[in-house]
Amino acid sequence: QKEVEQNSGPLSVPEGAIASLNCTYSDRGSQSFFWYRQYSGKSPELIMSIYSNGDKEDGRFTAQLNKASQYVSLLIRDSQPSDSATYLCAVKGRGSARQLTFGSGTQLTVLP
Amino acid sequence: DGGITQSPKYLFRKEGQNVTLSCEQNLNHDAMYWYRQDPGQGLRLIYYSQIVNDFQKGDIAEGYSVSREKKESFPLTVTSAQKNPTAFYLCASRPGQESYEQYFGPGTRLTVT
Repeated sequence: QKEVEQNSGPLSVPEGAIASLNCTYSDRGSQSFFWYRQYSGKSPELIMSIYSNGDKEDGRFTAQLNKASQYVSLLIRDSQPSDSATYLCAVKGRGSARQLTFGSGTQLTVLP
Repeated sequence: DGGITQSPKYLFRKEGQNVTLSCEQNLNHDAMYWYRQDPGQGLRLIYYSQIVNDFQKGDIAEGYSVSREKKESFPLTVTSAQKNPTAFYLCASRPGQESYEQYFGPGTRLTVT
């Protein structure tokens, strides 16, 4: 079992719709969770972080965390073509060195 | 401008040659990381350093070496022992002991033929 799993997609949604990206993790003691956006050929950009159960909203983005189910998600409201990218989930598990474990990413395409 | 710089953006080498990738940050971040990304895959940790003059192996350190002589700099050498070096290499840094988020440089795309 991979430590951090994401549906690789591709996920396609029409412009203006809600895009829902999901991530599960295996380490029950994981503490911190991050979403990165990576445009094709570019480096990852941090867009959301979440540490506590529940929802965290930032503009059109909402991160949702359920530690009991070991599940974190990212919702993108009013999706735009510019949101088309690969979204990486990253998890800080137990242990030292504050390393992050990354999922393989979900490719999102927003259709005009 | 504060940030993380990596150079060069593209690098081409012949098989059997060592090559050094540069990573510099002026954010005063304590920790620095090197990742490798292959097409359609996530990031795999090569090496990381939490303080100057100290670094640890990540998940795929074989065939790579690093140094951390200055807080601002964390160069990565891809040696001829690395069997499949063609990849996108990403350097990241983390602000301090109380934060976990990492910020990435623009990356270096290495092609070895």
